[in-house]
Amino acid sequence: DAKTTQPNSMESNEEEPVHLPCNHSTISGTDYIHWYRQLPSQGPEYVIHGLTSNVNNRMASLAIAEDRKSSTLILHRATLRDAAVYYCILQLSIQGAQKLVFGQGTRLTINP
Amino acid sequence: NAGVTQTPKFQVLKTGQSMTLQCAQDMNHNSMYWYRQDPGMGLRLIYYSASEGTTDKGEVPNGYNVSRLNKREFSLRLESAAPSQTSVYFCASIPRVPKNIQYFGAGTRLSVL
Repeated sequence: DAKTTQPNSMESNEEEPVHLPCNHSTISGTDYIHWYRQLPSQGPEYVIHGLTSNVNNRMASLAIAEDRKSSTLILHRATLRDAAVYYCILQLSIQGAQKLVFGQGTRLTINP
Repeated sequence: NAGVTQTPKFQVLKTGQSMTLQCAQDMNHNSMYWYRQDPGMGLRLIYYSASEGTTDKGEVPNGYNVSRLNKREFSLRLESAAPSQTSVYFCASIPRVPKNIQYFGAGTRLSVL
């Protein structure tokens, strides 16, 4: 299965932008890049996804490299509620089901 | 809006005991999934069901069985629990459209002694 590589942890300050990197050098042409986050003692929560073009939504932006071997999740103004583990995930389409292959994620700490 | 509901929230078992983890979604989603998450790790796929009546193995299926009872419900059974199955179990579902977002339940924390 295709894998992703993320830093184990990152730290940022409240109200500052945060750039979370992800490498996925073995990505195939049909794999979507997903980001989920997991707050303490909760299930993962969808953040954003993309295929080739950069994407924006109310939560974040996703910047995808031209060769698709890396991507960056951008939180424009971090709040304390954004402290979570962020997972960069490749979505594989297999037999009509969408499989998410999770890595270990990046634990994001936000300082007040 | 209940979303994805998992029961129980917590469970302690003795080695060799059996139990079934229940998952139900009220969003009319087609695909459902069971994951496990060990401490400090990402989620690993145990089994999934692309649609009602079908189930397939994921990355770590050994020691588990599943049943897609109907479109709403997808259960995970441990026939003979082992300490290595101590984990947090998450159920998730995906709609037909858009099919790129998985909705997760709050999890079941299972300890096997």
